[in-house]
Amino acid sequence: GDSVTQMEGPVTLSEEAFLTINCTYTATGYPSLFWYVQYPGEGLQLLLKATKADDKGSNKGFEATYRKETTSFHLEKGSVQVSDSAVYFCAWGRRNTPLVFGKGTRLSVIA
Amino acid sequence: DAGVTQSPTHLIKTRGQQVTLRCSPKSGHDTVSWYQQALGQGPQFIFQYYEEEERQRGNFPDRFSGHQFPNYSSELNVNALLLGDSALYLCASSLEVAGGLTEAFFGQGTRLTVV
Repeated sequence: GDSVTQMEGPVTLSEEAFLTINCTYTATGYPSLFWYVQYPGEGLQLLLKATKADDKGSNKGFEATYRKETTSFHLEKGSVQVSDSAVYFCAWGRRNTPLVFGKGTRLSVIA
Repeated sequence: DAGVTQSPTHLIKTRGQQVTLRCSPKSGHDTVSWYQQALGQGPQFIFQYYEEEERQRGNFPDRFSGHQFPNYSSELNVNALLLGDSALYLCASSLEVAGGLTEAFFGQGTRLTVV
């Protein structure tokens, strides 16, 4: 059925390291793809999105490219900071349907 | 713009009790969705309200019910609480436009603990 699979965490990196969080999805048609971030004790914030194949979403140094052929939307950042420590959720959605989320990947960045 | 606001932020209830959670959508939004996020899991869709009616529902029992008011604010009610209902409850708002909904904005959530 419809789902999102993310790499399991926690992921622990040193400051300025390169980050990749893998995400693949199962859905019919061409959904929009999202990455949300949840800082400790807070709700979800939209980090970036892509609405069609080959689109690249980007924000705050994070990037993800909508790959229809591999049904993937991997999150990357070239140089992480301590302030990036949070839980990251991959999700897909269509207009008039609820969002389908992955289980989340916890990132800890150490100075 | 206050964004999506939820109340209360935390509460503790006893098994078998009933609870009501509240959500005010982002200014200009008319659609409210509720999600349950269990510890260590991603959010799961409970239901969505538009024009004061439940429009879609996820795989949750009838103990979960809701309401939307004319000002678009919404309540989530859970009856006969179980320990397994302990979770972060998230409200998301969006705007109904031609062709569907705009992007969803989330509130900070209500942390419910059932003891």
